Amino acid sequence: DAGVTQSPTHLIKTRGQHVTLRCSPISGHKSVSWYQQVLGQGPQFIFQYYEKEERGRGNFPDRFSARQFPNYSSELNVNALLLGDSALYLCASSWTGEETQYFGPGTRLLVL
Amino acid sequence: ELKVEQNPLFLSMQEGKNYTIYCNYSTTSDRLYWYRQDPGKSLESLFVLLSNGAVKQEGRLMASLDTKARLSTLHITAAVHDLSATYFCAVDMKHSGAGSYQLTFGKGTKLSVIP
Repeated sequence: DAGVTQSPTHLIKTRGQHVTLRCSPISGHKSVSWYQQVLGQGPQFIFQYYEKEERGRGNFPDRFSARQFPNYSSELNVNALLLGDSALYLCASSWTGEETQYFGPGTRLLVL
Repeated sequence: ELKVEQNPLFLSMQEGKNYTIYCNYSTTSDRLYWYRQDPGKSLESLFVLLSNGAVKQEGRLMASLDTKARLSTLHITAAVHDLSATYFCAVDMKHSGAGSYQLTFGKGTKLSVIP
């Protein structure tokens, strides 16, 4: 069975641009969470979705938004990119959001 | 605000030696996880600890949980080079309102095992 998949794997953007990151959960999992991992730090929670509804949001500005589709895949959108948004963005899935979360390979975003 | 602290942040050890990584957290938690991350890679789940006194072992790694002390340990026995990685502990807590479970991570312990 395929694990969590994310696309793209790498991305380079310039300040002020917009980016969309995509995630497909493990088959059967209905919850997706997004995390940001800045170099040298632990991941920080951004969003959790379950059954297409936002269940939780971390301490991130409104420039960050997400959604979950009927097939449980998810998109993370970031507007007006800043240099500080450069990070590894991790998606994690679980059955309902209340169990062990399994992480995808991540999308490495570089903002110049 | 939930805080998770790991120590040490950097650990260099010789092959064959034993060592322990510590993880303290500031409030009552539902679950505690240990993850491994290799350079440039994603997070691999190692252990999930659910209750006070829980102990889990896999190969040369053993994790334990003391919920009264809000402390988890990851013990490494007879280290080998393949264990070199960054190890994170993460605490899972249900937040009220929307009811989401959010993982709060420590800063990680970068382990280097030297031949």
